[in-house]
Amino acid sequence: DQQVKQNSPSLSVQEGRISILNCDYTNSMFDYFLWYKKYPAEGPTFLISISSIKDKNEDGRFTVFLNKSAKHLSLHIVPSQPGDSAVYFCAAIAGANSKLTFGKGITLSVRP
Amino acid sequence: NAGVTQTPKFRILKIGQSMTLQCTQDMNHNYMYWYRQDPGMGLKLIYYSVGAGITDKGEVPNGYNVSRSTTEDFPLRLELAAPSQTSVYFCASSYRTGLHSGNTIYFGEGSWLTVV
Repeated sequence: DQQVKQNSPSLSVQEGRISILNCDYTNSMFDYFLWYKKYPAEGPTFLISISSIKDKNEDGRFTVFLNKSAKHLSLHIVPSQPGDSAVYFCAAIAGANSKLTFGKGITLSVRP
Repeated sequence: NAGVTQTPKFRILKIGQSMTLQCTQDMNHNYMYWYRQDPGMGLKLIYYSVGAGITDKGEVPNGYNVSRSTTEDFPLRLELAAPSQTSVYFCASSYRTGLHSGNTIYFGEGSWLTVV
């Protein structure tokens, strides 16, 4: 059973526009959420995170929004750049000592 | 900084062969992990270790073994390779689990394994 769902496998966006990557979860015990970015032939790298006590966290062009009642989070990239083209994984943690649960990932393509 | 280093990067195995994926980290992290990523899927945790001499199973441990004799090294052993183990394997490390402090997991570059 997929506890972290990234239902759209891919997204294509024009350079300069906003990219919105969605993630849903089913486990109400998740209390910390992270986004990872992965380029081909490389390991994932941490991008941004959010605690369940917040509904928004911003870091430069990247903003993550959390809607706990809907069990939904989204990653906004504004403005999108060609270098943002990568696979983005949503991940979640349930409690201080639990391990990451990953979604399947979304492939973002930013067109010049 | 080397970070997390895993070898080999690519390997083709025949069914029934055995091999070890090596992983080492130079960040003095207590926690180390092995994940696998199948095509179109997220990362699944195989095994993890909370410190030298301590290992535990993750979501998909069957067909694998690990050991943690030092803080730096966390090798993953495949004893009898099967086609179902064809995947990309990622080793990772972190200072702690529970990332409420904003700490992050650092991943290696991946090892592509094909079992034929």
